[in-house]
Amino acid sequence: QVQLVESGGGLVQPGTSLRLSCAASGFTFSGYPMHWVRQAPGKGLEWVAVIPSHGTNQYYADTVKGRFTISRDNSRNTVDLQMNSLRLEDTAVYYCARDVGRIGVFWGGLDPWGQGTLVTVSS
Amino acid sequence: IVLTQSPGTLSLSPGDRATLSCRASQSVSSYYLAWYQQKPGQAPRLLIYGASTRATGIPDRFSGSGSGTDFTLTISRLDPEDFAVYYCQQYGSSPPTYTFGQGTKLEIK
Repeated sequence: QVQLVESGGGLVQPGTSLRLSCAASGFTFSGYPMHWVRQAPGKGLEWVAVIPSHGTNQYYADTVKGRFTISRDNSRNTVDLQMNSLRLEDTAVYYCARDVGRIGVFWGGLDPWGQGTLVTVSS
Repeated sequence: IVLTQSPGTLSLSPGDRATLSCRASQSVSSYYLAWYQQKPGQAPRLLIYGASTRATGIPDRFSGSGSGTDFTLTISRLDPEDFAVYYCQQYGSSPPTYTFGQGTKLEIK
């Protein structure tokens, strides 16, 4: 079945770096854009970044632009999020999600989502 | 584009009809509007895409509608498993952006 599994979360100090990874299985990974979405404790969803199916032209939320880098390895079916210069406000559960892409004229949304990995930025 | 969901919290009973609103700060293509359900401790689940098309496996008590700046998610008869937080999301192109609303919590009255 289609599955996404995140890893790499943990407790880090402000100003440091962390790399998250998401392993995909059960579908043709190279055919889909992939996203990272985060959720601060008790808060709503915040879109973080997207990478197209073949890795060109990544896009980021303004809150992480210049600090975070999304990348993918279609040979290993993984999508990573390199997070540098971490701030207290980056504390969140980070989800990876598959972009369903076009279904006819529609954008098909994000489906499925991984179970998330918790990143805690604290001194 | 900012998506504003209302109400923040909706208190209803099983069997009731739920109407959740998502209002955009400027016109959004209905082709690019999705709804998600999130239960405590779980990842979000796609319910609706294209403003009104149910995703695979979603019960027909869930329906979406709307256009322009006003979109609605309706649950015709609430099942106990429907009590959760619901988010709308829009996709905008050039450059791509994927904005979420702040969510509506549907709680048991």
